[in-house]
Parts: sequence; C-alpha cells; structure tokens
Amino acid sequence: NAGVMQNPRHLVRRRGQEARLRCSPMKGHSHVYWYRQLPEEGLKFMVYLQKENIIDESGMPKERFSAEFPKEGPSILRIQQVVRGDSAAYFCASSPQLDTYEQYFGPGTRLTVT
Amino acid sequence: GQQLNQSPQSMFIQEGEDVSMNCTSSSIFNTWLWYKQDPGEGPVLLIALYKAGELTSNGRLTAQFGITRKDSFLNISASIPSDVGIYFCAGLKRGGSGNTGKLIFGQGTTLQVKP
Repeated sequence: NAGVMQNPRHLVRRRGQEARLRCSPMKGHSHVYWYRQLPEEGLKFMVYLQKENIIDESGMPKERFSAEFPKEGPSILRIQQVVRGDSAAYFCASSPQLDTYEQYFGPGTRLTVT
Repeated sequence: GQQLNQSPQSMFIQEGEDVSMNCTSSSIFNTWLWYKQDPGEGPVLLIALYKAGELTSNGRLTAQFGITRKDSFLNISASIPSDVGIYFCAGLKRGGSGNTGKLIFGQGTTLQVKP
C-alpha cells in the first residue's frame, strides 16, 4: 500500500511566480490535510479537505493561498505571487474515512523562493 | 494560537540509555499523537493515544495520555543510533461533528545518540 505521495519534492520559484504543490493521499483515504514547517519549528496546520469540500481553512493565509481536493486527482495547494517568506516545507497528510484521527504524512515539498 | 510546550528541546545521550520527553498544554485534547521526523522527510506516526490515562507501547516506545488530558509523555527504552531524529507531539481536538482535523504540534525534541 503506497503511502502519501507529494510532488515535486523540491520547488524553486522566483518572487511573483506561482507555486503548485500536489498531494495524493494513501489509497482509501478521503481526508487530506496541509501543514507548513519553517526551519527549526514544528508543523503548522493550514487546511483540512475532504473530496470536493474544504472543511477547515483556519490556518490558511487569507490572500494568495488556496487549496482544493477534486473528485478525481490529487489535492493541490496553490500559492500565487510567492514571496520569500513562503519558503518552507509543505507537508500533506491523509486519514481514512473511518472514525480514526491518525494522520499519515507525505515526504513534503520544499519550496524555495528566490 | 494554541501551543504545545514540548521538552526537552534537545537531548544527547549514550546508546543504551532510556529517553523521556513530554508535552504539556493549557487546554484539553481528545487525542495525542507522537511522530518522528528524519532530516528531509515527513513525520512518521509512532503512537496514537485516544483515552485519558491510556498507556500504549510500540516496541521500545511507550507513550501515555495524561489524566488531565493536558499532557502526554513518550519514553524510549534502550536507545540505539537509529533513534536519532526529531520527535514531535501533536494534539487533536474532537469537535461536535467528529474529526476537526487540526493537529497542533509541539516544537519538537531533537534526539542525538552517541554510539
């Protein structure tokens, strides 16, 4: 059973460009979560999605950031007009539809804004 | 925002020694999770705790969910070099509709093991 997959693993963008981060949850998992990690810090919650629905986006910056989890295909975290402060590791996690609260993380995408 | 205070921040121990780290919060959590993160990788789930007072083991790892629901600890017995990494606690609140989804992470404990 493949784990959570994220791509790309590393992404370099210039200021002002757009960044698209993709996440494929574990097979059978319909809950997806995005977290951001700055160097030497713990992970910070950004958004929680189920198929075609955003459940909790309380951790998402109000501007430039958006997330989706379509009926078909991976979940996408989109950052428009990136700035240097967006440089971080972005992790996706998934959990199954059953009543469990265990989240399984992918390897992350390391975004560098130059 | 909500914070989890994790201690110690770092540990440097001799191989074979036991390790203990803990996490405290000013608010109650319904679920406590412990993760290990290696450099350049995502966190790997080690142990999940669902009930106050629960004590759960996974090999050489033992974790407990505090009675007050505001704390948790993780013990590693007989440490080995591959235990090196960053250990994170995470708390989860359970809302009225079930899974709120939002994990609150501690700052991490960096463990180094000297062979």
